[in-house]
Amino acid sequence: DTEVTQTPKHLVMGMTNKKSLKCEQHMGHRAMYWYKQKAKKPPELMFVYSYEKLSINESVPSRFSPECPNSSLLNLHLHALQPEDSALYLCASSRGTGASQPQHFGDGTRLSIL
Amino acid sequence: AQSVTQLDSQVPVFEEAPVELRCNYSSSVSVYLFWYVQYPNQGLQLLLKYLSGSTLVKGINGFEAEFNKSQTSFHLRKPSVHISDTAEYFCAVPNAGNMLTFGGGTRLMVKP
Repeated sequence: DTEVTQTPKHLVMGMTNKKSLKCEQHMGHRAMYWYKQKAKKPPELMFVYSYEKLSINESVPSRFSPECPNSSLLNLHLHALQPEDSALYLCASSRGTGASQPQHFGDGTRLSIL
Repeated sequence: AQSVTQLDSQVPVFEEAPVELRCNYSSSVSVYLFWYVQYPNQGLQLLLKYLSGSTLVKGINGFEAEFNKSQTSFHLRKPSVHISDTAEYFCAVPNAGNMLTFGGGTRLMVKP
């Protein structure tokens, strides 16, 4: 069983909808991450939160809006997405942002944009 | 920034045969390296990590990897694979802020 829980597992939305992806961990980790993974490609980093503060934004379009309400929760708010945003969105967490800290991944949310 | 290259996009192998998945990293003063596995319709699971110390690293599910500084490699091996090992395998290196950079992935296909 994964220790990082993502909901929903699947999401279909139109280009004008607003939806949110949720991620939760109870390992006491203080760093959390969002990745985007297209089919047959490796994950690509989108955002990094450290101690509930956004520390890295990899030039992600503003239609993706992350939020970290507390140390256990990470949200990704979606608005006016494009068909090319269809992908698997993975959340991960680690004890800290030191390079020796391995990241633990959830099973992802598979997003389809109509 | 550091990077990793996975030399094989697909590796077909028969069940119970040995397998090696190749990963080369860009040279650096110090390096940490990870191998992750992704089963169909799942997230990534950490197989093993190299932080320092012994160059032979043992991981879960019978996998091991050897850190080779002179050849800048971190190849993943298993002496006998099972059908259940069929998955995508990613080599990864962390950059500043623990930003993981992944290799392109190797699809291991175990045939009966």
